Parts: sequence; structure tokens; C-alpha cells
Amino acid sequence: GAGVSQSPSNKVTEKGKDVELRCDPISGHTALYWYRQRLGQGLEFLIYFQGNSAPDKSGLPSDRFSAERTGESVSTLTIQRTQQEDSAVYLCASSLEVEGTSPLHFGNGTRLTVT
Amino acid sequence: GQSLEQPSEVTAVEGAIVQINCTYQTSGFYGLSWYQQHDGGAPTFLSYNALDGLEETGRFSSFLSRSDSYGYLLLQELQMKDSASYFCAVGSNDYKLSFGAGTTVTVRA
Repeated sequence: GAGVSQSPSNKVTEKGKDVELRCDPISGHTALYWYRQRLGQGLEFLIYFQGNSAPDKSGLPSDRFSAERTGESVSTLTIQRTQQEDSAVYLCASSLEVEGTSPLHFGNGTRLTVT
Repeated sequence: GQSLEQPSEVTAVEGAIVQINCTYQTSGFYGLSWYQQHDGGAPTFLSYNALDGLEETGRFSSFLSRSDSYGYLLLQELQMKDSASYFCAVGSNDYKLSFGAGTTVTVRA
């Protein structure tokens, strides 16, 4: 009955490789969000899902980034041809619904390091 | 788009009161939230204001003035464990929740 789970917790990859980050939200949460947090900085919105749909993908930094969600549950964020600038903590959060009254429950993040 | 401004750092002693201000610009404003993040940890929800006024939750209170596009988080009776980053976040009717850059609060003995 845990909270939001993200895997892996740490990922070191070489520049140019693809990576896949996974998020298991709290069961029953309709909304799922991805954020990026660079060291010492705020949370940069990437994308949100309402159910399995992502109504707005404009927050994704480039076309190397993509995300999907299936079964109104697990979500994966894929980064192709990684660059050093992609190094950051990627945070996933879920909430009961997309409306602002529902608090976001965050996972512990995946720390991505691109060498 | 949305923009939020909050101070980058605040330092105070144990037992003191700290106020973290947040001003925002957004279209289709929905509400203002506050999150706490300890070093290396996940952000955790503190409070939410959709209407003008003060919301109190224990030692923490949050205030919103929609007409001024302004809110604040008040931390009372500061404890060492309150040392963390605090983020204001604005919700808008496009369902994006945009976060400020965060305020690092350091509590000294």
C-alpha cells in the first residue's frame, strides 16, 4: 500500500545511450506527473497524465523525451540519445485527480547521470 | 505560462518564526500549494489555498491573496528538523502544477 515507487533509484549512462525510467503510482490515482530537478534548483514540469492520456506534451524538453502510461498505472519516461545536460533527478508524482485540490505524492526520484 | 518568485534562502534560529513569500503570474489560476523537501528526499505536501485567507495546520500556516497574486508560508516555533527547501506551486486550469525555484530554510541552534 506503499507510496509512489520509482526505479531505478540511480542510473549512470554514457552519452548517446537511451534510458528508461519507471514510475509506479499509488493505486487508484488518476493523475501522474513527471518533473525534472537539477541540482539545487526547482522542479521543472515535464508532462502529466490523466488516466493513460497525456493532454499536453509541451513541457518535454526535446523530441528525445517521450513518456507513456498504461493501465492507468505504470508510467515510463524514455530519454533517447542522452546528453550531459539531461543529468538530473527525475521525479514522478501521482494524485487522486488532476485538479489542484489533490496533493501530489512524490516518489524518491531517479538520479540520472550522463557521462 | 506561469512564473513564481520566492526568496532563495532564509536563516533563522530555533523557536523563531519564518515567513516565505511567493508571488506568481499565471492564467487560469486554480490554487497555491506548498511543498517541503529535505536534502535528497522527495517533496512532501504541506498545504493548499484556493481561496483568500489563512489556512493553519499545526505550526505551519499558509496565506493567499488572489487579488495580489501573492501567498506566504509561515513556519512557527522553528525546529532543527524544519531545515529544508520549501516550494510554492501554482495550479492552473490547464492542470499543470508549476513550482517555484524553492527557498532553503536553515535553522540554527
